Amino acid sequence: DQQVKQNSPSLSVQEGRISILNCDYTNSMFDYFLWYKKYPAEGPTFLISISSIKDKNEDGRFTVFLNKSAKHLSLHIVPSQPGDSAVYFCAASVRGTGANNLFFGTGTRLTVIP
Amino acid sequence: SAVISQKPSRDICQRGTSLTIQCQVDSQVTMMFWYRQQPGQSLTLIATANQGSEATYESGFVIDKFPISRPNLTFSTLTVSNMSPEDSSIYLCSVEYSRSQETQYFGPGTRLLVL
Repeated sequence: DQQVKQNSPSLSVQEGRISILNCDYTNSMFDYFLWYKKYPAEGPTFLISISSIKDKNEDGRFTVFLNKSAKHLSLHIVPSQPGDSAVYFCAASVRGTGANNLFFGTGTRLTVIP
Repeated sequence: SAVISQKPSRDICQRGTSLTIQCQVDSQVTMMFWYRQQPGQSLTLIATANQGSEATYESGFVIDKFPISRPNLTFSTLTVSNMSPEDSSIYLCSVEYSRSQETQYFGPGTRLLVL
């Protein structure tokens, strides 16, 4: 049972515009959420995270929004650059329980068109 | 952040054989983990590599199939035993620098093809 879902397998955006990647989760116990970026033949690179006590976290061009009532989070990239083209994974976990499991979505392939 | 390396980066193996994957970090870390990403799938945690004791396996993964070692705070190995084509995946190690951070950082992965 997929507890973290990324329903859009791919997204294409023009350079300079906003990219919005979406993620839904089913487990209400999740309280820590992360976004990773993955280039081909490389491991996932940590981008940004958010705790469930916040609804927004910003780091440069990247902003993550969390809507707990909807069990939904999104990653905004503004402005999008060709180097942002990669597969983006969202992940979720339950902090403080001693459990180590990050639950990942299946990824969204972002293509930024020059 | 520390540099995480994995060896080999890729391999092609015959069914019935075993492959050991190494993960090396250039600084001491609190936690080390092993994940698998099967073709078209998301990343799935195999186990937590515990330093000086047996690894903690997730549901669906067993020590006989995926023995893990972690002799110190910078190194771990994952062995994929008695391989079958269904074991063809990318295997990734990840690390956590402190329990308070709970953010995992990943190595480059090992791409395994079993014929």
